[in-house]
Amino acid sequence: AQKVTQAQTEISVVEKEDVTLDCVYETRDTTYYLFWYKQPPSGELVFLIRRNSFDEQNEISGRYSWNFQKSTSSFNFTITASQVVDSAVYFCALSEEKTSGSRLTFGEGTQLTVNP
Amino acid sequence: SQTIHQWPATLVQPVGSPLSLECTVEGTSNPNLYWYRQAAGRGLQLLFYSVGIGQISSEVPQNLSASRPQDRQFILSSKKLLLSDSGFYLCAWTPPAREETQYFGPGTRLLVL
Repeated sequence: AQKVTQAQTEISVVEKEDVTLDCVYETRDTTYYLFWYKQPPSGELVFLIRRNSFDEQNEISGRYSWNFQKSTSSFNFTITASQVVDSAVYFCALSEEKTSGSRLTFGEGTQLTVNP
Repeated sequence: SQTIHQWPATLVQPVGSPLSLECTVEGTSNPNLYWYRQAAGRGLQLLFYSVGIGQISSEVPQNLSASRPQDRQFILSSKKLLLSDSGFYLCAWTPPAREETQYFGPGTRLLVL
């Protein structure tokens, strides 16, 4: 069975600090996809990134960066110079390869609070 | 561009009443559609998914059902709501290809009293 663990339930930082959100996953599939979503207070899940299991290159997008390490089954997310608008719940998710549909297994989320 | 709509945005219903939540997608054909529930405490649980009209897969046996009467319409229903049905219901879609990113709608907040 697939599983995604986000051990950090809540993180609180002061604006401009860097913060890393951890994600550890379990799967028996050799081909899989990992995702990060942001859920602001409005509730809608906003897609941030998708990474397939064959691509271990780290990615940077502005203040966001992602570190995928297959050897440790981790897909961590770092926000550099955090801002108040980054306050949200962040979800890591894993999808399995199926013949139809792509079902996501979500972690429990990390509530990030960025204080001014 | 594709957009996904959900309504109503919020709903307060008494225990034992019926439920109908609607999700529609614009700007695409033959999408895969999903219903998730997010209870207090943040975890998201997949309830149903559909790869085509009339094709529904249930992930968790419960008080709810889903239907897909049209290509881009996905409906979540219940004949009699329970207190435990309260939560935030999210609809998502992907293109029909395998392993595509899921994009979520704005959600419906349901409170059962």
